[in-house]
Amino acid sequence: DTEVTQTPKHLVMGMTNKKSLKCEQHMGHRAMYWYKQKAKKPPELMFVYSYEKLSINESVPSRFSPECPNSSLLNLHLHALQPEDSALYLCASSQDFAPGYGYTFGSGTRLTVV
Amino acid sequence: GEDVEQSLFLSVREGDSSVINCTYTDSSSTYLYWYKQEPGAGLQLLTYIFSNMDMKQDQRLTVLLNKKDKHLSLRIADTQTGDSAIYFCAERGTGRRALTFGSGTRLQVQP
Repeated sequence: DTEVTQTPKHLVMGMTNKKSLKCEQHMGHRAMYWYKQKAKKPPELMFVYSYEKLSINESVPSRFSPECPNSSLLNLHLHALQPEDSALYLCASSQDFAPGYGYTFGSGTRLTVV
Repeated sequence: GEDVEQSLFLSVREGDSSVINCTYTDSSSTYLYWYKQEPGAGLQLLTYIFSNMDMKQDQRLTVLLNKKDKHLSLRIADTQTGDSAIYFCAERGTGRRALTFGSGTRLQVQP
């Protein structure tokens, strides 16, 4: 298995809702990432997990809450989002942090906040 | 801080070669990457080059690195309509745990 699987592919949520994005990989990768991508823009780093521990939080608002229950799973819990949070949310993984290892990206969850 | 820049748009005819350019500022960059993103999809790693290399070829793809000028290019030979996508240059410097992406170049291939 050489894929990163993200669910759901599309999500529409109201500003008072609570929802979660899920990401799964079975490649034995020990680093996992959440990126946010707005239309016609490059991906922006949100969080980095290393060996299931939060390693980097790029000053992301607390309405986004990441969780890494085990080495294969990464969640992003969403609560009280704003319309400007609408974007493509990408999960990625890499074997570790050695620069020679590129990221494997999932196909993303397209989130619309109404 | 790190900065990676690309031109926004490139249009070529099918069968021609495409050259997508990228410049970066971080002199500690050790690996540089090219990713492809098709509409509505995630990013696909195309190729990468280590900073002590000048060139890397992989089938239709040729990566050239000028470390002195901090300039990276991706050449796609015999460009096909299926190559139409956004191409992102990315780099990661020593000691940094995440990639920095360029703004992306939209490649349009005309039949």
